[in-house]
Amino acid sequence: SQQGEEDPQALSIQEGENATMNCSYKTSINNLQWYRQNSGRGLVHLILIRSNEREKHSGRLRVTLDTSKKSSSLLITASRAADTASYFCATVPIQGAQKLVFGQGTRLTINP
Amino acid sequence: DTEVTQTPKHLVMGMTNKKSLKCEQHMGHRAMYWYKQKAKKPPELMFVYSYEKLSINESVPSRFSPECPNSSLLNLHLHALQPEDSALYLCASSQDIRAGFYNEQFFGPGTRLTVL
Repeated sequence: SQQGEEDPQALSIQEGENATMNCSYKTSINNLQWYRQNSGRGLVHLILIRSNEREKHSGRLRVTLDTSKKSSSLLITASRAADTASYFCATVPIQGAQKLVFGQGTRLTINP
Repeated sequence: DTEVTQTPKHLVMGMTNKKSLKCEQHMGHRAMYWYKQKAKKPPELMFVYSYEKLSINESVPSRFSPECPNSSLLNLHLHALQPEDSALYLCASSQDIRAGFYNEQFFGPGTRLTVL
């Protein structure tokens, strides 16, 4: 089952602006990951944040995690047309099967 | 080599056909996955293999039959599919699925399946 909720479902911004996507989840987690998917293609792993971390950076990406609110955000700074894609958060539960539980995704469009 | 390959890229089959999807990775990963993805939806987990043994079957209909011949290969055998099975089928691998591993997954490009 998909426990994650992402918002917004779709986001359209101008090139150069920052894009923020949010993810909420329901159960205690081991870690949370963000993936990007270009249209009709496979998913690409972007960043992983462990449950004991609050913030992580990778290039133009910044991820935050608030385990008390069971939420995470992904910030893409200085967006580019090539960032146009769907973005999914995925959680790994702290108990039970170590499988990814995906959110519904945010479709991001960067307008040139 | 950090790539997961999948063949074929596209597959069109009738409801009486038998076909197979193939997936390969050479990263030494011991966990491999099949996902099904419908348009504008997240991937849905179908099967997980851990150390070449079926670890998770998410109540997938028996017309889908997975196989893991060795640690690098994963197949999905298809038989008597329905039109609603048309979707993007994604293969993925990760280092290990056991507790203590973070389960970062590497995905293949997928096979676009159309069932007529």
